[in-house]
Amino acid sequence: DAKTTQPPSMDCAEGRAANLPCNHSTISGNEYVYWYRQIHSQGPQYIIHGLKNNETNEMASLIITEDRKSSTLILPHATLRDTAVYYCIAGGGGATNKLIFGTGTLLAVQP
Amino acid sequence: GAVVSQHPSWVICKSGTSVKIECRSLDFQATTMFWYRQFPKQSLMLMATSNEGSKATYEQGVEKDKFLINHASLTLSTLTVTSAHPEDSSFYICSADRGGETQYFGPGTRLLVL
Repeated sequence: DAKTTQPPSMDCAEGRAANLPCNHSTISGNEYVYWYRQIHSQGPQYIIHGLKNNETNEMASLIITEDRKSSTLILPHATLRDTAVYYCIAGGGGATNKLIFGTGTLLAVQP
Repeated sequence: GAVVSQHPSWVICKSGTSVKIECRSLDFQATTMFWYRQFPKQSLMLMATSNEGSKATYEQGVEKDKFLINHASLTLSTLTVTSAHPEDSSFYICSADRGGETQYFGPGTRLLVL
């Protein structure tokens, strides 16, 4: 699986958009970009994933650059409950669909 | 939809005993399930890939005789930590592959070995 690079931590004001960047310069053609988040002492929660095109769902938007070497997760209106560690993973799309977690970004939403 | 459960949610056991953790996909069938381990303030580490009806595939460095995995049905995988020791104390999390693209994770099982 491709390695991803994320900033270790970010702050965001409540009600503002949170933009979380991720670099995945070694991603291969059939690998997806996944975003999960983990709130303290819970299992990871699926947010969104994409292959080439930008994606949007009820939780977030995913913007993938044309060369697929980086992406941005956008939480349009962050709330205090969005405080969590956000993991960007490049993987899946193959026979095993393994997901290898990096260190993630701790997003702290401030009141 | 896409709910994965784990049982128990936490367990305390004595050193040398074995502990079984169950992972169930409640509303979908999962041909593949995955087991992870997470130590405090660290990321999730993939331990093994479990396929229904076949032997699990373990990641490098994971002892297959210590962490026994059984995937007897399309909705159930079990992880047994054999002869547990304090260093096995950790947060064990499973995930289930739904349809090949997306994995959904269970809530985790916290194991404390005394």
